[in-house]
Amino acid sequence: GENVEQHPSTLSVQEGDSAVIKCTYSDSASNYFPWYKQELGKGPQLIIDIRSNVGEKKDQRIAVTLNKTAKHFSLHITETQPEDSAVYFCAASDGGYQKVTFGTGTKLQVIP
Amino acid sequence: EAGVAQSPRYKIIEKRQSVAFWCNPISGHATLYWYQQILGQGPKLLIQFQNNGVVDDSQLPKDRFSAERLKGVDSTLKIQPAKLEDSAVYLCASSPGTGETQYFGPGTRLLVL
Repeated sequence: GENVEQHPSTLSVQEGDSAVIKCTYSDSASNYFPWYKQELGKGPQLIIDIRSNVGEKKDQRIAVTLNKTAKHFSLHITETQPEDSAVYFCAASDGGYQKVTFGTGTKLQVIP
Repeated sequence: EAGVAQSPRYKIIEKRQSVAFWCNPISGHATLYWYQQILGQGPKLLIQFQNNGVVDDSQLPKDRFSAERLKGVDSTLKIQPAKLEDSAVYLCASSPGTGETQYFGPGTRLLVL
């Protein structure tokens, strides 16, 4: 089955700086890569996703890049704000019925 | 549009007891998922329904866990008997169809003593 590794496990940045979270996946058949933000006591919320036919996608301060050859993808958050503090999960879908496998999470702390 | 609803939000039981969780997905969503999220880890899929049929239950511990989605809408997840290692957050999610964006509920926090 699919295996998703995520780094770093914790990340502290100053407000206004950029944050980068990296993930690798094992199944070359995976073709859908969502990113979720989970705040304390809440369920994960989709913030951006990318499919394997594109290399990069942006949405305001958030961008995701995908390297299919190397089987890794990254989340970039620019101009971080305190409200960006949360746990972020990457995930990969292995096709077929689109079962989603999650990474282990990155706890992001934005210091005002 | 109402989101995914789950109840109860919190549950404390003793080992070997049984417990049930309920999920009401977003109206019209055909696909429903149950995930287990252990503290400090990412969600792990337990079971996926397409309408009222099971699509994937390969990671569901079937000796103690069961789930159903009668009439293809609401779903219940049951654990009987519970073990200490079942302490986790149980998340329900739904999507319009397979391969589409999943929307998560707030989860049920289970503590097994």
